[in-house]
Amino acid sequence: NAGVTQTPKFQVLKTGQSMTLQCAQDMNHEYMSWYRQDPGMGLRLIHYSVGAGITDQGEVPNGYNVSRSTTEDFPLRLLSAAPSQTSVYFCASTRGQVGSGNTIYFGEGSWLTVV
Amino acid sequence: KNQVEQSPQSLIILEGKNCTLQCNYTVSPFSNLRWYKQDTGRGPVSLTIMTFSENTKSNGRYTATLDADTKQSSLHITASQLSDSASYICVVSATDYKLSFGAGTTVTVRA
Repeated sequence: NAGVTQTPKFQVLKTGQSMTLQCAQDMNHEYMSWYRQDPGMGLRLIHYSVGAGITDQGEVPNGYNVSRSTTEDFPLRLLSAAPSQTSVYFCASTRGQVGSGNTIYFGEGSWLTVV
Repeated sequence: KNQVEQSPQSLIILEGKNCTLQCNYTVSPFSNLRWYKQDTGRGPVSLTIMTFSENTKSNGRYTATLDADTKQSSLHITASQLSDSASYICVVSATDYKLSFGAGTTVTVRA
């Protein structure tokens, strides 16, 4: 049982490049989400999914796309990277509804630098 | 706007000593409050989850308290160890299932 697995761990991009952050969970959780963590700020929700085929925007969705073709996978795509997207990205999953009291499991994070 | 404020921003304690971290929130209507531990370079890991009706919950040397009337929570670390050096994040959930994250308190335990 690996929990939530994110790849890559570190990535440097040039402005305008695109890339995909991968996230997979093996706990059969319905709810998955992507957050970004910036210095001095709390985690901010980018996109989330309540099940395969269903995605929705969070607090800071601009510049990012997601899809949920399977229960296990929830990739985050940066369409045209900008320096403002330099951040640490965390994928998370939980059984049922987030906020329901179920434990939220986070991945180990992906450090992204856009130059 | 739902907000979660944590204090202090950082603190340094000697190994074996106790410390208390604070979390004040304005999230409404309230559903539950969580504390997470985040080691440097790692993802957050759950310590405790408390609902409206719970005013204290322990996880080993970590004890969280909740006062839903004053919208305050604290996390007490007893007999600190070097491995307690981390950032501690308070997360509050509203009944619409939206999560509000605090910026965290960085704890450094020195030998």
